Amino acid sequence: KAGVTQTPRYLIKTRGQQVTLSCSPISGHRSVSWYQQTPGQGLQFLFEYFSETQRNKGNFPGRFSGRQFSNSRSEMNVSTLELGDSALYLCASSADRATNEKLFFGSGTQLSVL
Amino acid sequence: GENVEQHPSTLSVQEGDSAVIKCTYSDSASNYFPWYKQELGKRPQLIIDIRSNVGEKKDQRIAVTLNKTAKHFSLHITETQPEDSAVYFCAVRPLGGSYIPTFGRGTSLIVHP
Repeated sequence: KAGVTQTPRYLIKTRGQQVTLSCSPISGHRSVSWYQQTPGQGLQFLFEYFSETQRNKGNFPGRFSGRQFSNSRSEMNVSTLELGDSALYLCASSADRATNEKLFFGSGTQLSVL
Repeated sequence: GENVEQHPSTLSVQEGDSAVIKCTYSDSASNYFPWYKQELGKRPQLIIDIRSNVGEKKDQRIAVTLNKTAKHFSLHITETQPEDSAVYFCAVRPLGGSYIPTFGRGTSLIVHP
């Protein structure tokens, strides 16, 4: 079974631009979560999608949004980029419908905002 | 919301020594406690987990212990090897509500040959 795939692997953007990141979960997994990882801050939860619906949302500004398609692939969008948005963005998929027990992470997209 | 504290932030040991990483949490209703290992430049991967109805779980050189009363759990790695060098994250998942796990800030483990 293929693992969680994230594209692109690296992105360099400038302040004010917007960016879209993509995540393909493990086949059969319907839950996709997104996390922001910065040095010393661990993994901060952004949002979770299940069956094309946002089921949970973390404490991030409205500039961060996402969606999920019928094939469970998910995209995350960040508009009006700020320097502080530079981070590794990880997505994780899960097979458990309501409990998100075992998370399988992608390799992440490293976003640098200049 | 849940508050997870992880210590230490950095741990340096000699090959063959044991390493212990501890996490404390605030929500007594939490019931699932996984540990993830992230090697440099790689994705986080689940290495061991424990549920609230179990006090200890072992898998070869790694073990996790849970003290529900004190609300803390620990990762134990014995006979450390250089390939154990990585960042380790604990997480706590609540029982009910969003079920979204809260992660600790991570421990950078360095094993010196």
